[in-house]
Order: sequence, then structure tokens, then C-alpha cells
Amino acid sequence: DAGVTQSPTHLIKTRGQQVTLRCSPKSGHDTVSWYQQALGQGPQFIFQYYEEEERQRGNFPDRFSGHQYPNYSSELNVNALLLGDSALYLCASSPSPFWNTGELFFGEGSRLTVL
Amino acid sequence: KNEVEQSPQNLTAQEGEFITINCSYSVGISALHWLQQHPGGGIVSLFMLSSGKKKHGRLIATINIQEKHSSLHITASHPRDSAVYICAVAGNQFYFGTGTSLTVIP
Repeated sequence: DAGVTQSPTHLIKTRGQQVTLRCSPKSGHDTVSWYQQALGQGPQFIFQYYEEEERQRGNFPDRFSGHQYPNYSSELNVNALLLGDSALYLCASSPSPFWNTGELFFGEGSRLTVL
Repeated sequence: KNEVEQSPQNLTAQEGEFITINCSYSVGISALHWLQQHPGGGIVSLFMLSSGKKKHGRLIATINIQEKHSSLHITASHPRDSAVYICAVAGNQFYFGTGTSLTVIP
């Protein structure tokens, strides 16, 4: 049973560019959430998707957007990249239809470096 | 102001010691998570709690909803327990602590 998979694992972009990160949830999970973790910090919640809609959002600007497909996989898009967007981006899936009461299963993350 | 505070930030223990990591939060929550993160980034969920106490092997997690406090205990610590332990709460969104870095020395 494949767990949560994320791609790419590492990438380098320059300021002003756009990036798309991808996540496939654990089999049987329909809820996907995204997190940003700067070096030495705890993760920060970006948003959560369920039934192809953004259900809950943290304190991130509109440059951060997402999408969920009918097969429950998800994308995180970041436009107009800033140096401060350099971080580990984590995806987690959950079997719960209730956004805040499901156990979280994390992927290994995508490490983004913005130069 | 951080919605979730963890203590201690760093902890070094001898193998076999009993370890406690504390988490205090300031928001109303529906659940609290204890997570383990090893170098390289991968995060593993250890516990999800909404009340009381849970035990899994040598790990015990407790939560006191009235006091807005949770503890993670590790009995008979082992070098393989060395990792960063993160407390997270589900309030109106997810809030995370900055983590407790644990090193267990043989």
C-alpha cells in the first residue's frame, strides 16, 4: 500500500518564477492538506482540500493556490516566488471527511530553494 | 504570539531515561497531534488525541483540555528515539509548535 507520495523531491527556482508541487494521497484517503516548513521551524498550515474544494486555509497570501483532482491527488501552486518561499513543502492525507479530526499521514516533502 | 508552545526546545538524555515533552496551546481545539520528524524531513504521526490518554509501545500521550496542555512521555528511551517531536493542534486551522529536538545518547 503506497503511502503519500510527493514530487519533485527537490527543485530550484528563481525569484518571480512559478512552481507546481504534486501530491498523491494514501490509498483510501480523500482529504489532502499542505504545509510549509522553513528551516529550523515547525510546519505552517497552508490549506486543505476535500471533494475538489479548498475547505480550510491558513494565513498564506493568494500567491499560494491549489487544486484537487477527482482521483484525490492535489497540486500546490506558488506564483511570483520570493526568497522567503524557500522551504520544505509537506503534503498530508487523511481518511476523515471532517477537516480537523482525521489522523495525518505525511509525505517526505518537496524542498524548494528560491535564488 | 505562538498558539502552540513546546518545552523544552532541546533535550539530551541517556539511554533508558524517562522523557517528557510538554505542549501548551491557547486556542480552542478539536484534536491535538504529536508528530515525529527525523533528519531529512519525513514526518510520522504518533498520536491524535481529543481527550484522556493514549499509549503505543513505549510512548504515552496525555491531554488536559481544561488546562490546554498535553504531554508526550517516552519510557526506556533509546538512541533510535532521537528526532524532533512536534505538537500540532486543530483549531480554526492547524497550528504547530516549533518542535523539541531529542538526542538519546547510548
